[in-house]
Amino acid sequence: RKEVEQDPGPFNVPEGATVAFNCTYSNSASQSFFWYRQDCRKEPKLLMSVYSSGNEDGRFTAQLNRASQYISLLIRDSKLSDSATYLCVVNVPAGGGNKLTFGTGTQLKVEL
Amino acid sequence: DGGITQSPKYLFRKEGQNVTLSCEQNLNHDAMYWYRQDPGQGLRLIYYSQIVNDFQKGDIAEGYSVSREKKESFPLTVTSAQKNPTAFYLCASRGGRYNEQFFGPGTRLTVL
Repeated sequence: RKEVEQDPGPFNVPEGATVAFNCTYSNSASQSFFWYRQDCRKEPKLLMSVYSSGNEDGRFTAQLNRASQYISLLIRDSKLSDSATYLCVVNVPAGGGNKLTFGTGTQLKVEL
Repeated sequence: DGGITQSPKYLFRKEGQNVTLSCEQNLNHDAMYWYRQDPGQGLRLIYYSQIVNDFQKGDIAEGYSVSREKKESFPLTVTSAQKNPTAFYLCASRGGRYNEQFFGPGTRLTVL
């Protein structure tokens, strides 16, 4: 089983739609969680951290379910500019420190 | 402006040649990382450094070498021993409010 698993997509949605991405992780000792956004041929950029209680930033909502080892990202009222690949990232203990493990990403295409 | 720079943006190399990718940060971060990204795959950790003059192998260190003589700089050498060096190489440093990773713009290496 992969350490971090995501549905690769692509998700093709019309502008204004609500879309949800899911991510599961295998290491129950994982300590912190992030969603990154990566545009084509660019570097990943932090979209938001994921808090245990869930958190919202504008049109974006992140949820964490530790019992099910599951993270989600909800995008409301999607815009053309939201088209990108969304990476689920998990911080796991490793070698006395911590290591970020990246999912392969879910591709979103928002269309007119 | 604070950030991470990588150079060059595109690099072409003949088989059998070593090549060094530059990564510089002025964020005053202690920890720095090198990843490679291949199409359809997540980021894979090559090497990381938690502090100056110290570094550890990541998941795919074979065929690569690094140095960390200065806090600001973490160059990566891709040696001729690396079997499949053509990839997108990303450097990152860790810090910030959520202790997240910030990425440089990447170097796209092609071996001819």
